[in-house]
Parts: sequence; C-alpha cells; structure tokens
Amino acid sequence: GENVEQHPSTLSVQEGDSAVIKCTYSDSASNYFPWYKQELGKRPQLIIDIRSNVGEKKDQRIAVTLNKTAKHFSLHITETQPEDSAVYFCAAPGTGRRALTFGSGTRLQVQP
Amino acid sequence: NAGVTQTPKFQVLKTGQSMTLQCAQDMNHEYMSWYRQDPGMGLRLIHYSVGAGITDQGEVPNGYNVSRSTTEDFPLRLLSAAPSQTSVYFCASSRTELYEQYFGPGTRLTVT
Repeated sequence: GENVEQHPSTLSVQEGDSAVIKCTYSDSASNYFPWYKQELGKRPQLIIDIRSNVGEKKDQRIAVTLNKTAKHFSLHITETQPEDSAVYFCAAPGTGRRALTFGSGTRLQVQP
Repeated sequence: NAGVTQTPKFQVLKTGQSMTLQCAQDMNHEYMSWYRQDPGMGLRLIHYSVGAGITDQGEVPNGYNVSRSTTEDFPLRLLSAAPSQTSVYFCASSRTELYEQYFGPGTRLTVT
C-alpha cells in the first residue's frame, strides 16, 4: 500500500507570510495528489489537486508542486490570512487498493 | 442537492453494544468510503466501495462491517463496540478515488 509522510505537524506564521507543507509518498505509480483543508469542527474539503502529468498548479493564493522523481509534493500558501488557519491534509493513491492514503495533517495557525 | 449526509451526529455507546452509522449521497457517485479521524492520526480508511454490491477493506477494518446494496447508501456497522472505537467517523463519496472526495458532516462516537 501507499505510505504518505507529511511535515511539519504544526506551523505558525504571521499574517501575510507564506506557508509551505510537504508530503512524501512511497508508490511511484501514484498519479493523483489532492490537498484537503479542515476547519475546526468541520468536514475536510478539497482545496487543490494535481495529477502526475503536470509539475505545478495554482489557484489564486494556493499552489501545489509535484516532484515525481523525488516522490514528494508540496502545498504553498502565499499572503496568508487568519481564515487560512486550519488543518491541512495531503493524500495519494496506491496500488493494490483503490483508495487514497492521507497524511497525518498539518495544523496551520496564522497570527494576525 | 443535499450532498453527503450522515446520521447520527453524536452517539454514545456502552462497550459491547452494536450500532449502524448511516451514510447517503445524492450525487450518483459510484465510489464511497468510510474514515475514522483520531487526534494526530489523520484520516484512516476503514472500508470502501467502488459500486453497488462491491466493498473492500481499508487500513483499519477490524470491528466494522459494511454493505452497499444501492448506489446511494453505504452504512457502517459496529459489531461490538470497544473504547478504542471512540472517534469521529466521516463518510465520503466521489466519482472514483482519483477525484474530489465529498465528505459528510461526521459522526462523533464515544464508547464507554
């Protein structure tokens, strides 16, 4: 199965700074890499995803980069705002099981 | 569209009791899954289904059963509740595992 490692587990930044969260995966056949945001007491929601045929994808202040050779992908949030405070999860699919494996999460706190 | 619905929102069980967590979706998604979320552990897959009549085990299936008799419904049964099953349970649906997962609001289960 897939093994997804996510770092850091907590991240505190000042409002306006950038935040970067990294994930590594083990299955070289993985081809889909989503990021989910979970606000306190709420359900996880997809914020951005990338497929293996591209190296970077942007959506306003968030971007995801993928390095298939090194088997890692990263979430970049620029100009952070207090409403970006949440837990962020990465995920990747694996062979042998038609399912996503999620990372353990990063708690991002944006200080006003 | 209601999206993904889960009932109940909260449940307290005594050790050894059984119960069923309900999950339904109205998006005609073939793929449905159940996760449990424990502090610091991310989202761990319990069981999943790629279509009506087809289910498979995830990462942590012991103590849980599922069935998928219709496209819309995917109930999760706890056979004999244990304190280790105290958790927040999320149901999700999607086109396949390689597309956006739509999560339900969650069920907070406490086993005493």
